[in-house]
Amino acid sequence: QITLKESGPTLVKPTQTLTLTCTFSGFSLSISGVGVGWIRQPPGKALEWLAVVYWDDDKRYSPSLKSRLTITKDTSKNQVVLTMTNMDPVDTATYYCAHLTLLTGGYFDYWGQGALVTVSS
Amino acid sequence: DIQMTQSPSSLSASVGDRVTITCRASQGIRNDLGWYQQKPGKAPKRLIYAASGLQSGVPSRFSGSGSGTEFTLTISSLQPEDFATYYCLQHNSYPWTFGQGTKVEIK
Repeated sequence: QITLKESGPTLVKPTQTLTLTCTFSGFSLSISGVGVGWIRQPPGKALEWLAVVYWDDDKRYSPSLKSRLTITKDTSKNQVVLTMTNMDPVDTATYYCAHLTLLTGGYFDYWGQGALVTVSS
Repeated sequence: DIQMTQSPSSLSASVGDRVTITCRASQGIRNDLGWYQQKPGKAPKRLIYAASGLQSGVPSRFSGSGSGTEFTLTISSLQPEDFATYYCLQHNSYPWTFGQGTKVEIK
């Protein structure tokens, strides 16, 4: 059974760096074809893809946020960490992590519950 | 970037109605598209993969079709639990992009 859960601060101040952790179970990020991605959703708005990291440590980022994002994995801890620098109130959103597997077309087939992050002074 | 234009942005329908939602890609994406359902306060749930594959456990009233640039999600007979917002996602090329969503409301 695949599960994912996001954790991190609920409130950050403008200009601060956000660090979110996705802790997962039921799969391994050392298996060929497996990845974990991050998606966010501002209140009342649409979903936005942010980044993905794969089993081989290949990483891809949204170009509009690439300068501010870093995604890393810790296979031994079953965790993926997303950092976003220079936070702004427009970054207020629910942040989701999700599982994917390339080999069977499992793109974001399992999601975490989401973590609401508010950016405010 | 590939733009995904989803229509309509909202619709009102009655239980038992047939509902169709469309996503158009700004360039061809083969069948690299999924459909997701999201209820208020909940994470999205995948319904369809590879444009027409039904996710395990999803009712058969949901179906997807299309390839290239035009895709549809059809709910053959709308049920009370189907009132939600639906999104498409293209994963053909980076950056992956979602449609802007279709809110299905009770008529």
